[in-house]
Amino acid sequence: AIQVTQSPSSLSASVGDRVTITCRASQGIRNDLGWYQQKPGKAPKLLIYAASTLQSGVPSRFSGSGSGTDFTLTISSLQPEDFATYYCLQDYIYPWTFGQGTKVEVK
Amino acid sequence: EVQLLESGGTLVQPGGSLRLSCAASGFVFSTYAMSWVRQAPGKGLEWVSVISGSGGSTYYADSVKGRFSISRDNSKNTLYLQMNSLRAEDSAIYYCAKDGGPDFGGNSGFDDWGQGTLVTVSS
Repeated sequence: AIQVTQSPSSLSASVGDRVTITCRASQGIRNDLGWYQQKPGKAPKLLIYAASTLQSGVPSRFSGSGSGTDFTLTISSLQPEDFATYYCLQDYIYPWTFGQGTKVEVK
Repeated sequence: EVQLLESGGTLVQPGGSLRLSCAASGFVFSTYAMSWVRQAPGKGLEWVSVISGSGGSTYYADSVKGRFSISRDNSKNTLYLQMNSLRAEDSAIYYCAKDGGPDFGGNSGFDDWGQGTLVTVSS
């Protein structure tokens, strides 16, 4: 199975900060990677699919980039509602695999 | 509006069996592949299984292969997960999730999720 390594596992940031989270796949996965946001007690929410396509209704401060093995999620200006845990998911080949998650906390 | 409503989660003894259901509405159910994703308490997300829209293709995570079986009844707009030989490490919230696009195995992600159902495996 493809391994997906997500980093960092947690980070502390302030409102207005630029935040970057990365995922690295153990082999090339084209652009078959998505990003999800999860808040406590809630189901995950799709933010970005196909590495860089913003899901409908998601604010434009979220962006994704990358292809092959290295991918990045960027929040350009962190808002209070963005404090959450973020996961990447490779959907290139089954079994699909999630990254370990990144918890974005208040600094 | 898409709605996914899981049910069937409960406390079960190790070695036991359980069937989860996910009732879908608000979209043409038979068009979309559906997956189960789980999350152990305080842990990350783990993809479990997928079934194509027709039900003809299925895949499983190595951790559940041979013990879990995914199925669907398109006439009832319902997804199922039959879980056998349950272990403590299967304890988790189980979410059903809808593929974002109609192409099986595509890269559109999961655009809709249920609220989850809790499975606890313990004696």
